[in-house]
Amino acid sequence: KQEVTQIPAALSVPEGENLVLNCSFTDSAIYNLQWFRQDPGKGLTSLLLIQSSQREQTSGRLNASLDKSSGRSTLYIAASQPGDSATYLCAVQGGSEKLVFGKGMKLTVNP
Amino acid sequence: NAGVTQTPKFQVLKTGQSMTLQCAQDMNHNSMYWYRQDPGMGLRLIYYSASEGTTDKGEVPNGYNVSRLNKREFSLRLESAAPSQTSVYFCASSKDSYSNQPQHFGDGTRLSIL
Repeated sequence: KQEVTQIPAALSVPEGENLVLNCSFTDSAIYNLQWFRQDPGKGLTSLLLIQSSQREQTSGRLNASLDKSSGRSTLYIAASQPGDSATYLCAVQGGSEKLVFGKGMKLTVNP
Repeated sequence: NAGVTQTPKFQVLKTGQSMTLQCAQDMNHNSMYWYRQDPGMGLRLIYYSASEGTTDKGEVPNGYNVSRLNKREFSLRLESAAPSQTSVYFCASSKDSYSNQPQHFGDGTRLSIL
């Protein structure tokens, strides 16, 4: 059974720092890996999707990498801003149609 | 473009009551999903519909039923609500199950069962 882990569960940093968010998964036979953002009281917003054949994806200040063999992905946030404060979730899609989610990491960026 | 719309946004029920959560998407997506989100448990899949006319169980289907009414709409029904079903429910959709396209989420239904 696929398990997805995000450590730490919460992180508080000053504005301007470059951040690395970690995600690990137990079964390397994945179809893709997705990073989402969730603001309080809202649904999930897709940030980046990395296909199993890809090593990384970039969108603006965000860069996500994938190492299937080690079961790891990282989300890099450059020059963090207070508006980046949210919960970030990692999810993997394996051989079925289903996404398996990590429990998320709550990020607070302090001005 | 509304994306994924869920109704209602909030609901309080008494134990044993029934209700249906509604979900509609306007992106012409084939696949739709129902999740519940609980503190410390993360998001868990209840049911999904890979395409119109098909539904399958997810990780936590007990106590729920679903209907894929048409391509746009996917409803979740609680026949006899229990306090353990107090949660935030999210509906999501994607182009296809294996399209390497992300899932799009609604804003959720916050359900309390007394």
